[in-house]
Amino acid sequence: DGGITQSPKYLFRKEGQNVTLSCEQNLNHDAMYWYRQDPGQGLRLIYYSQIVNDFQKGDIAEGYSVSREKKESFPLTVTSAQKNPTAFYLCASRDRESPLHFGNGTRLTVT
Amino acid sequence: RKEVEQDPGPFNVPEGATVAFNCTYSNSASQSFFWYRQDCRKEPKLLMSVYSSGNEDGRFTAQLNRASQYISLLIRDSKLSDSATYLCVVTLSGGSYIPTFGRGTSLIVHP
Repeated sequence: DGGITQSPKYLFRKEGQNVTLSCEQNLNHDAMYWYRQDPGQGLRLIYYSQIVNDFQKGDIAEGYSVSREKKESFPLTVTSAQKNPTAFYLCASRDRESPLHFGNGTRLTVT
Repeated sequence: RKEVEQDPGPFNVPEGATVAFNCTYSNSASQSFFWYRQDCRKEPKLLMSVYSSGNEDGRFTAQLNRASQYISLLIRDSKLSDSATYLCVVTLSGGSYIPTFGRGTSLIVHP
């Protein structure tokens, strides 16, 4: 079945370490997105990519980086520059005006 | 003014009640509209798209009012399992297909 896979589901890291969250989709979607969600809050856009080898900053890109070398993959790196990295991270993809399809998320805890 | 606004609630209703949520958007060029459901600590899942003519799916009815720039979601005969957060999503037109989320409306259905 087609879908979006995020891994790992839970991730624990020490402060000061970079960490990369994986997002893979086999839906053949051009556009992919990374969102962050904090408890009781809405989704905030970190980065998005509408085509391979191109990506744009979202509303809260500071302290994050991405790459889009393949259509299927859009990994997110949370760097040590991100001041409050503990959050629920959601990857999504879509095709033009279609609805977003979400992965099941990665819950990152940094201590 | 925020691009997409929702009353966070919570809406606390008894089983069998009818409940309605609204979501207002600020950009009149908005083109596509969706309602998502998000359970606690899970990813958002598409509930329904919102069409200009309105659409219904079982107990759920979605409507779009372009003149007043809002979408609505009506849930009839509420079930305990309807308890969740309902997110509205608006996609702008004009070459920018970045979905924008409201913060969500919390619904609690009690016996």
